[in-house]
Amino acid sequence: DTGVSQNPRHKITKRGQNVTFRCDPISEHNRLYWYRQTLGQGPEFLTYFQNEAQLEKSRLLSDRFSAERPKGSFSTLEIQRTEQGDSAMYLCASTLDVGSGGTEAFFGQGTRLTVV
Amino acid sequence: DAKTTQPNSMESNEEEPVHLPCNHSTISGTDYIHWYRQLPSQGPEYVIHGLTSNVNNRMASLAIAEDRKSSTLILHRATLRDAAVYYCILSKYGNKLVFGAGTILRVKS
Repeated sequence: DTGVSQNPRHKITKRGQNVTFRCDPISEHNRLYWYRQTLGQGPEFLTYFQNEAQLEKSRLLSDRFSAERPKGSFSTLEIQRTEQGDSAMYLCASTLDVGSGGTEAFFGQGTRLTVV
Repeated sequence: DAKTTQPNSMESNEEEPVHLPCNHSTISGTDYIHWYRQLPSQGPEYVIHGLTSNVNNRMASLAIAEDRKSSTLILHRATLRDAAVYYCILSKYGNKLVFGAGTILRVKS
């Protein structure tokens, strides 16, 4: 397995445009997380999925953001009508929930979004 | 999830041990202590985690105080590749990881 894969690695977009990012988790992992990270800060939780069900969304996630995981495999994160404040690194992570014990999260390398 | 307190930054010499502290005085009995690190321009990377007992793996050791209100990540021999931001995170099983600002570790050659 090649780990968690995110595409694209970099995206530059004009303010007001829509963007979509993709995350391919480790194949047997049933949980998938999205985080956002700005310069000098730790990653900030956005949302997570257990299989195809979206179980939690951060209150910080505006209605311009939507995420899907249609078949419980890959996930997409869409930002509509982008704003300059959306410029950040968007990170995806996956874990295998086995019902007990601590779990190791595997992160992708992220998609860096720049809104101009 | 309970909060953690870490120093903003630390410095170490190459090939010397590094002890990264973390305080978590409001930890609950079901909180796991996780450590992740993030190298420049990379996603976070798992380092180690534990519940009550000290833990060792190929990357590091985790020493947990008897009252669990603090823990220390130990890198036995720091290398330049260990320069990163280290995050100490408390999380109940199955919960999301909530990152703080972490400790910036600088390693001098």
